[in-house]
Amino acid sequence: QQQVKQSPQSLIVQKGGISIINCAYENTAFDYFPWYQQFPGKGPALLIAIRPDVSEKKEGRFTISFNKSAKQFSLHIMDSQPGDSATYFCAASKDDNTDKLIFGTGTRLQVFP
Amino acid sequence: GAGVSQSPSNKVTEKGKDVELRCDPISGHTALYWYRQSLGQGLEFLIYFQGNSAPDKSGLPSDRFSAERTGGSVSTLTIQRTQQEDSAVYLCASRFTTAGELFFGEGSRLTVL
Repeated sequence: QQQVKQSPQSLIVQKGGISIINCAYENTAFDYFPWYQQFPGKGPALLIAIRPDVSEKKEGRFTISFNKSAKQFSLHIMDSQPGDSATYFCAASKDDNTDKLIFGTGTRLQVFP
Repeated sequence: GAGVSQSPSNKVTEKGKDVELRCDPISGHTALYWYRQSLGQGLEFLIYFQGNSAPDKSGLPSDRFSAERTGGSVSTLTIQRTQQEDSAVYLCASRFTTAGELFFGEGSRLTVL
């Protein structure tokens, strides 16, 4: 009930292409779904987040698509750039201060010029 | 400080020794979390503090692990009788009580020889 499953484990994309990372959750009580970006040697940093009252959220080249009935959400990176090369983690929790974020296992994205 | 500060950034120890890892959260953040990131793995939840109390310590892997928080600020994660499988990056994060975003430190990399 607490797992968040993430795929793929690694992703190689050409510059300008679209990167897509998928996550699935089990706990229907989850109502906060963030994506974190982590560069080598750094801590993860919030990239974009969505709550289930909307099916899509876009910030610049980054879009979260959310499918509540399927209990799935995904991150799309449009016009991928070499600077996007990092590890991406999806996460989920109940949106209150008593709950912890449950993270996926991460996707290592490499964007080649 | 401006961000979450963790020390030491790197720690090499011998099997069987005790280690202490320190986290200084963002000023005013009442919620503090410890996660562990093993090589190529996701972020594993260890323990969560609200103020000085720990409502959820379900992720601590064994009784060799303990954590405390004093003054609603600095937290210390202690690992007793370290084992090689304890080698990982230990990440601390903090947030305001009602906001979703977790702010991470850069982590403490622990290597147990």
